[in-house]
Amino acid sequence: AQKITQTQPGMFVQEKEAVTLDCTYDTSDPSYGLFWYKQPSSGEMIFLIYQGSYDQQNATEGRYSLNFQKARKSANLVISASQLGDSAMYFCAMRVYNQGGKLIFGQGTELSVKP
Amino acid sequence: DGGITQSPKYLFRKEGQNVTLSCEQNLNHDAMYWYRQDPGQGLRLIYYSQIVNDFQKGDIAEGYSVSREKKESFPLTVTSAQKNPTAFYLCASSIVGTSNEQFFGPGTRLTVL
Repeated sequence: AQKITQTQPGMFVQEKEAVTLDCTYDTSDPSYGLFWYKQPSSGEMIFLIYQGSYDQQNATEGRYSLNFQKARKSANLVISASQLGDSAMYFCAMRVYNQGGKLIFGQGTELSVKP
Repeated sequence: DGGITQSPKYLFRKEGQNVTLSCEQNLNHDAMYWYRQDPGQGLRLIYYSQIVNDFQKGDIAEGYSVSREKKESFPLTVTSAQKNPTAFYLCASSIVGTSNEQFFGPGTRLTVL
């Protein structure tokens, strides 16, 4: 069965420092995609970054990068130069190719950025 | 502006009542999804649809029903059979394909009184 595990319920980081949010996944399907979403207190889900299972390089989007280690089945999100507006819930999600496009979500990590 | 709208933002329901949550998108996406989020939890899939007039059950479909009569619209009905419906409901849409992200609406917060 497919599963996403986020082991950090809450994290603190000092403003302007980098932070890594952990995500491990489990699937036996060779074709899948990994996503990170941000959920502020308003509730909306904001797409941050995507990594495909066949991508050779780690994905980057501005201050966000994904540390993809396929053999270890991990897809950690790295946020560089944290800002106060980064305080939110962060969800890791996986889409498996033959599963109708649905996303499987982890439990989330609540990130708090300190001034 | 393209996007997904959900209404209402807040909804209160008495026990035993059916309620319908609206989801509309103007992104021309074929696929649409309904998720449920409980406090402190991740999202769980209720129903999804990849084409008009067709939809599939997700992981927690019991007590819910959907329709997909138009590409733009994917309403969710929470029936009286859903024993614990109080939750935050999120609708999403995407282009069909593994690498395409899902775009989410602002959500509806349902409370059963």
